[in-house]
Formats: sequence, C-alpha cells, structure tokens
Amino acid sequence: SQKIEQNSEALNIQEGKTATLTCNYTNYSPAYLQWYRQDPGRGPVFLLLIRENEKEKRKERLKVTFDTTLKQSLFHITASQPADSATYLCALGGSSNTGKLIFGQGTTLQVKP
Amino acid sequence: GAVVSQHPSRVICKSGTSVKIECRSLDFQATTMFWYRQFPKQSLMLMATSNEGSKATYEQGVEKDKFLINHASLTLSTLTVTSAHPEDSSFYICSASGLLGQEETQYFGPGTRLLVL
Repeated sequence: SQKIEQNSEALNIQEGKTATLTCNYTNYSPAYLQWYRQDPGRGPVFLLLIRENEKEKRKERLKVTFDTTLKQSLFHITASQPADSATYLCALGGSSNTGKLIFGQGTTLQVKP
Repeated sequence: GAVVSQHPSRVICKSGTSVKIECRSLDFQATTMFWYRQFPKQSLMLMATSNEGSKATYEQGVEKDKFLINHASLTLSTLTVTSAHPEDSSFYICSASGLLGQEETQYFGPGTRLLVL
C-alpha cells in the first residue's frame, strides 16, 4: 500500500540555522508533491508544489527538492526564525486527475531563539 | 487570494444530534472540495471528495449516510455529521481546489473542532 514517512520526532534547531525536513514514500509514483505548514488548531497552509520533472524549487527562504529515484523530498528553511516553528506536512498527488492528496503525518519544527 | 472559510469553528453537541459544517471559498470558484478529519498528532485523513453538482466520492471506510456532503455551488460545500456520537469528536477540515493555474493545490479552511458529549 502507499506509504509516506516523515520524521515523527520533533526537529529542534537554533535560530539562524537551516532546517531540513525529509519526506519518503513507497509504492507510489506521484505526479507532484506539495509541502504545507500547519499551526496547532489550524488548517494547513500551502507552501510549495514541485512536479515529478522538477528537481528543485525555491520560494524566498524555502527550498524543496524532489528525487523520484530515491522517492524522497527534502524541505529546507534557511535562516530559520522562531516564527517558522510549526508542523510541516508533505503531500503527494497522483496522475489520476482526481486532485486527491495523500498526506504524511508531519514533522514538528521548533526553532529556538 | 485563495481564502477558504469554515463555520462554525467549534461546536459542542449532545450525542444523537446532527451537526452541519459549512465550507466556503471566498474569492475563487472551487471545482472540487475535500473533507478531512484529523486526530491529535496525526495526519489528515481524507473522508470524501465533492464536485459541484454531483455526488460526493467517499473514501473506503467512511459511511456516506453518517457524513452527508452537499456541494450545492462552486463556493459552498457542507458536511453534516448525522446522529453524532462521542467517537465522531474530531477536528474536521475542508479544502478547496480549482484556482486557475493552480488546480493541484488545495486551500484549507481553518477547521472545525467537534466535541460530542
């Protein structure tokens, strides 16, 4: 069955450092992959989308890579700030055109001042 | 742009009553809306997908008679939890997609916290 794995342990880093979150998947060939941010008690907020034919995408301090051979995506936040503290979810979308996303369980990032 | 609202944000009800949750896309027409539920420290679990004017498609294991979904217009979808029981207590989140040029992206509402006593 399709499986998405994100590091369930919280990631604690110092302000100013680069945070790197990992998303691995099996038994799936996504057409695209998305990253969302979720704060406690709130709905997820879209951050970035990367397609299967793209290796890397950037948006301000965010960078996402997508390796379809390794079946892995890395999500980087450079010059991290305490305000970046949240849970980050990766989500895979297929080529079935239903628009459905399969979400990982999320990794909680804590940036300490 | 791409704002999705949900109402109510929080609801407490007695066991056996029905609860309706509204999901609205405020500044775009949503061709598709999705309903999720989320338990504490767990991922989003897709319940159903709805397209305007057609019946919702439910995920395996989700009772369609228990969770009634209506997608009456391109900006409004409703989820009704019928005869709610304590095990239905959860965080329900809707999302909408269909923004021109970003059809794959889902824009989420703020969620509805349901507590059934």
